[in-house]
Amino acid sequence: EAGVAQSPRYKIIEKRQSVAFWCNPISGHATLYWYQQILGQGPKLLIQFQNNGVVDDSQLPKDRFSAERLKGVDSTLKIQPAKLEDSAVYLCASRPAGAASYEQYFGPGTRLTVT
Amino acid sequence: DAKTTQPPSMDCAEGRAANLPCNHSTISGNEYVYWYRQIHSQGPQYIIHGLKNNETNEMASLIITEDRKSSTLILPHATLRDTAVYYCIGGGTSYGKLTFGQGTILTVHP
Repeated sequence: EAGVAQSPRYKIIEKRQSVAFWCNPISGHATLYWYQQILGQGPKLLIQFQNNGVVDDSQLPKDRFSAERLKGVDSTLKIQPAKLEDSAVYLCASRPAGAASYEQYFGPGTRLTVT
Repeated sequence: DAKTTQPPSMDCAEGRAANLPCNHSTISGNEYVYWYRQIHSQGPQYIIHGLKNNETNEMASLIITEDRKSSTLILPHATLRDTAVYYCIGGGTSYGKLTFGQGTILTVHP
């Protein structure tokens, strides 16, 4: 079974530039998550999709971050414009549908450095 | 989601059991206890979860106290590859939302 794919793996941009990350979840997984992990901290949930609808985006800085999941499969997370404090690893995770599915499967992450 | 408390770091000798504690005194009756781990430069990996009963799988055992205020993750025979940050998470009731804390850095040494 193929895992969660993310690209790019690394990205370096200057502040005020824009950046986009891509995630391809495990086939058939209805729920998709984006997390932000700042160095030395645990991952923090940014947004959660159920199919192509947003379930929770309470911690997404909506003035600069946006995310979409067209057709309920792939997802993109965009930052525009980036700030220095956005330097972090951005993790995508997916989970099968159904209340009995507890495990989240994480991708390798995209390491963003904002200079 | 319940707030959890874990020691910041622990050491374990290779081949010995690693016992990682977690306090979750505010966990509600329908919230699960999850354990994930994160090896350096990788995404977190699910280990095990439980509600009330002790659980065991091919990776680890989870012991939950009767009052559900604390739990212990047991890696029965730790290897160097088990060196990672281990996260104890209370929650999972709302579409599987997980709130990660700081975790415990487990270092397995030869």
